[in-house]
Amino acid sequence: QQKVQQSPESLTVSEGAMASLNCTFSDGTSNNFRWYRQHSAKGLEVLVSIFSDGEKEEGRFTAHLNRANLHVSLHIREPQPSDSAVYLCAVSFTGNYKYVFGAGTRLKVIA
Amino acid sequence: GPKVLQIPSHQIIDMGQMVTLNCDPVSNHLYFYWYKQILGQQMEFLVNFYNGKVMEKSKLFKDQFSVERPDGSYFTLKIQPTALEDSAVYFCASSLAGGAEVFFGKGTRLTVV
Repeated sequence: QQKVQQSPESLTVSEGAMASLNCTFSDGTSNNFRWYRQHSAKGLEVLVSIFSDGEKEEGRFTAHLNRANLHVSLHIREPQPSDSAVYLCAVSFTGNYKYVFGAGTRLKVIA
Repeated sequence: GPKVLQIPSHQIIDMGQMVTLNCDPVSNHLYFYWYKQILGQQMEFLVNFYNGKVMEKSKLFKDQFSVERPDGSYFTLKIQPTALEDSAVYFCASSLAGGAEVFFGKGTRLTVV
């Protein structure tokens, strides 16, 4: 069964410090990777999509993908209190037209 | 950008009754999805749908669940009968192709009492 795991479960950072979130996936048949943000009891906001090894930047959000290590990370530059939310990693696997989500990392940015 | 609309945003229903959740997907999209998120828990895949058929469903997609998109109208999730454990936020999503970017709606919060 394809699995996606995120760490840490929760993270507190000071405003302006880099925030780094991790996501590991179960096997190498994965093809698309997305990071979403979910503010409390609200919908999903896509932050960055990445399809090949390396780095992809969207504004203050940078994703790093390393398929060999089954790992994708999200780095948030200069986080602000308004970035406090749950961050979800989503992975699609070859042959499946769906995304498997991790349990999320709850980020709190303090002023 | 493209938007998936879900109506209503919140629905309260008596246990045992039928409920239909409506989703208006992005207009030219061909693949449709439902996900379920119990409050504070993980987003879980329920079902995907293409060309009038269910392609894949998870074990969460119980026999009481059904989906359809009659004549290009709303993509619907019907639960009949509802149970207390069906209380959750249900997210609809759509994509142009199977591996293309998926756009999510804001969800419908279903409360079964």
